[in-house]
Amino acid sequence: EPEVTQTPSHQVTQMGQEVILRCVPISNHLYFYWYRQILGQKVEFLVSFYNNEISEKSEIFDDQFSVERPDGSNFTLKIRSTKLEDSAMYFCASLQGAGDTQYFGPGTRLTVL
Amino acid sequence: AQSVTQLGSHVSVSEGALVLLRCNYSSSVPPYLFWYVQYPNQGLQLLLKYTSAATLVKGINGFEAEFKKSETSFHLTKPSAHMSDAAEYFCAVSHLMDTGRRALTFGSGTRLQVQP
Repeated sequence: EPEVTQTPSHQVTQMGQEVILRCVPISNHLYFYWYRQILGQKVEFLVSFYNNEISEKSEIFDDQFSVERPDGSNFTLKIRSTKLEDSAMYFCASLQGAGDTQYFGPGTRLTVL
Repeated sequence: AQSVTQLGSHVSVSEGALVLLRCNYSSSVPPYLFWYVQYPNQGLQLLLKYTSAATLVKGINGFEAEFKKSETSFHLTKPSAHMSDAAEYFCAVSHLMDTGRRALTFGSGTRLQVQP
């Protein structure tokens, strides 16, 4: 069964460093999402992406964040200068377009020291 | 704006007992509602969804949920808990974005413990 994959599973970085989180959505899906879950808190929407551009973004998704689909398979989330409060689990999700079910990847746990 | 409230951050049941996880939503438009499960160190797996068809929705692993518009609820139930059901459960509402696609708003989650 097709699934969303994410790499790495765990990323540790120093405050101020740039990180890139990678996702490979399900191959025939058209809509892509990033969510994050700070430890002990709810899952929060960050951004959605369709047709090679951002469709919608939340207040969390400030200028430090960017997304890209550099080729036909990868979908990346970049944090330019990480802060301590960026430590969280980051989930990628994709949606085919015909339905409303978002399929989630296993997540990347980002730890900012 | 849409929101989701899950009553009870922790629920503990005995193996074989009824599981009831509560979810209430607020939405200015007819919602799509979802339950996701998160096993330890894993991602979010869809259990079931309501998308304006039958109000009683059956999902995987014996779970079901009933959409009650009058109560703005979408509680998750399972008649008999199994040890493997121990996980975190998230209720989510799907809202319409300007682009016509839907992002998810999640509740804060309920951790289900199953006692032998």
